Amino acid sequence: QQPVQSPQAVILREGEDAVINCSSSKALYSVHWYRQKHGEAPVFLMILLKGGEQKGHEKISASFNEKKQQSSLYLTASQLSYSGTYFCGTESRDNYGQNFVFGPGTRLSVLP
Amino acid sequence: NAGVTQTPKFQVLKTGQSMTLQCAQDMNHNSMYWYRQDPGMGLRLIYYSASEGTTDKGEVPNGYNVSRLNKREFSLRLESAAPSQTSVYFCASTLRGGGFTEAFFGQGTRLTVV
Repeated sequence: QQPVQSPQAVILREGEDAVINCSSSKALYSVHWYRQKHGEAPVFLMILLKGGEQKGHEKISASFNEKKQQSSLYLTASQLSYSGTYFCGTESRDNYGQNFVFGPGTRLSVLP
Repeated sequence: NAGVTQTPKFQVLKTGQSMTLQCAQDMNHNSMYWYRQDPGMGLRLIYYSASEGTTDKGEVPNGYNVSRLNKREFSLRLESAAPSQTSVYFCASTLRGGGFTEAFFGQGTRLTVV
């Protein structure tokens, strides 16, 4: 049930771009992206709904391919503050309600 | 706004002891979740409650029980703590039923079982 994320870790220099991928074996209602700094709680970045709607951070973009159950998070012109672990969360809805599970995370390090 | 509040923030237990982790949200959210996060690993869903009065198992429910006391509160109980339950526990909540259902997290409970 847990979505798969790739890559496991990325090291960037400031100003470089990165793409983080997330895929699921289940039909998805939505995909969420969160960033977690060490020792802190995850913080919401973006949500993408089945059907094309999305809501999130101004400087972060993402895509959601419903047919393939895949999502990608695009980090452009990275800043030092982008460092952290990025999690995708996938939401499937069934007769019992929401089931919201996270991928294992992608550790991003941005160096000066 | 307080958002999601978890108590306690830190706890050390001896093997076999029991304890309850408390979680409360003041955002009128329908759904609440308990996750555990082990060092260097992602968030694994223990139990969730889609709405008041319902609870369901997640990925790793063994050794835990939950209670959705009311719409605001969702507690996690360890009946007989084991060292394998040493972890950071996060509670989260979402507003079910609409489109955008971003999750809000509590600050976590760091639990050590010795």
